[in-house]
Amino acid sequence: QVQLVESGGGVVQPGRSLRLSCAASGFIFNNYAMHWVRQAPGKGLEWMALISYDGSNKYYAESVKGRFTISRDNSKNTLYLQMNSLRGEDAAVYYCARPPWTGLRFLLDYWGQGTLVTVSS
Amino acid sequence: QSVLTQPPSVSAAPGQKVTISCSGSSSNIGTNYVSWYQQLPGTAPKLLIYDNNKRPSGIPDRFSGSKSGTSATLGITGLQNGDEADYYCGTWDSSLSAGVFGGGTKLTVL
Repeated sequence: QVQLVESGGGVVQPGRSLRLSCAASGFIFNNYAMHWVRQAPGKGLEWMALISYDGSNKYYAESVKGRFTISRDNSKNTLYLQMNSLRGEDAAVYYCARPPWTGLRFLLDYWGQGTLVTVSS
Repeated sequence: QSVLTQPPSVSAAPGQKVTISCSGSSSNIGTNYVSWYQQLPGTAPKLLIYDNNKRPSGIPDRFSGSKSGTSATLGITGLQNGDEADYYCGTWDSSLSAGVFGGGTKLTVL
């Protein structure tokens, strides 16, 4: 079965960096585009980034453009989110998510359990 | 401020019907498919509706979706206590080249 497991969250000081990982299993990872979505405590969902199946196309929310980088290693079945220059408003649970089928679309069918990022001095 | 606008909350009694609206613009809902997500407390979101009005396998037909112009609507009939959750609409915004969600609607089953 499809499984997505995020890791790498934790407490980080403002201005520092953090890299999140999403380990995928149960499907052919290099066939699917992948998304990152976050949710601040008590707030709604915020779409973060999308990467195509081969990593050649990447899209970002305006709020993180230039600070966050989405990438993937298809040989390791792993999705990444490199977060630089972190701010208080970046504190959230970060989810990776997969569409139900191949193709570059906004459609999120499979979700991980999320990893919590806390930004605090 | 979300690109897509949803009412913060809706409520209805068990067995009743409720609708949740999602308003956008020509660059998002007006041009692209809308999907809806249910988030139960403490859990990851779950896909309820895709391509405006299609239900994934396993989603009961009590849930329905529609789209007209730059607005979309989620309908839930035969409300159950287990439907209490936050509901989000989402779509692609072609002007932003980014995904966008509504602010979310909290459904209370009275």
